[in-house]
Amino acid sequence: AQTVTQSQPEMSVQEAETVTLSCTYDTSENNYYLFWYKQPPSRQMILVIRQEAYKQQNATENRFSVNFQKAAKSFSLKISDSQLGDTAMYFCASLMNRDDKIIFGKGTRLHILP
Amino acid sequence: DSGVTQTPKHLITATGQRVTLRCSPRSGDLSVYWYQQSLDQGLQFLIQYYNGEERAKGNILERFSAQQFPDLHSELNLSSLELGDSALYFCASSVLGRNSPLHFGNGTRLTVT
Repeated sequence: AQTVTQSQPEMSVQEAETVTLSCTYDTSENNYYLFWYKQPPSRQMILVIRQEAYKQQNATENRFSVNFQKAAKSFSLKISDSQLGDTAMYFCASLMNRDDKIIFGKGTRLHILP
Repeated sequence: DSGVTQTPKHLITATGQRVTLRCSPRSGDLSVYWYQQSLDQGLQFLIQYYNGEERAKGNILERFSAQQFPDLHSELNLSSLELGDSALYFCASSVLGRNSPLHFGNGTRLTVT
């Protein structure tokens, strides 16, 4: 079964620091897609970044970047120069090529401290 | 604004009742997903439709059902409601290209008393 694991239930960092959120996934496929979503206190689900498994280059979106290690099935999110507005729940998600289910991890609650 | 519209925003009902949640996908998106998020939990995949047909099924209870209509809007029906069904129900849509992310609605908050 397709699984996504986020091993850090909760994290806190000081504003302006860099923080890395971990995510591992399980698949036997070679081609798939990975996503990070952010859920602030408003409960909206917002796409942060996405990565295609066939691309070796790590995706980057402004202060957000990923470290995609295909062999290790690891997909971590790095937030640089963290801001108070980054306080949110962060979910890692996977989409396998063989079906269309997008499966989410249980999330990491991130607190950015002033 | 994601372009995905969910109604109602809030719903309060009693145990044993039946409710219908509605979702209008983003313009051009053919695929609709339903997720359930209980308090402080992750998103549980319920079901997915593509262009009117069921495409994938997750841990959806038999008391729950869904459909997607010809105009692509979708409805999630929850019946014989129990206290444990209280949750935030999200609808999301995508183009269903392999690189297409989900665009989420703002959710329907269901409270069963």
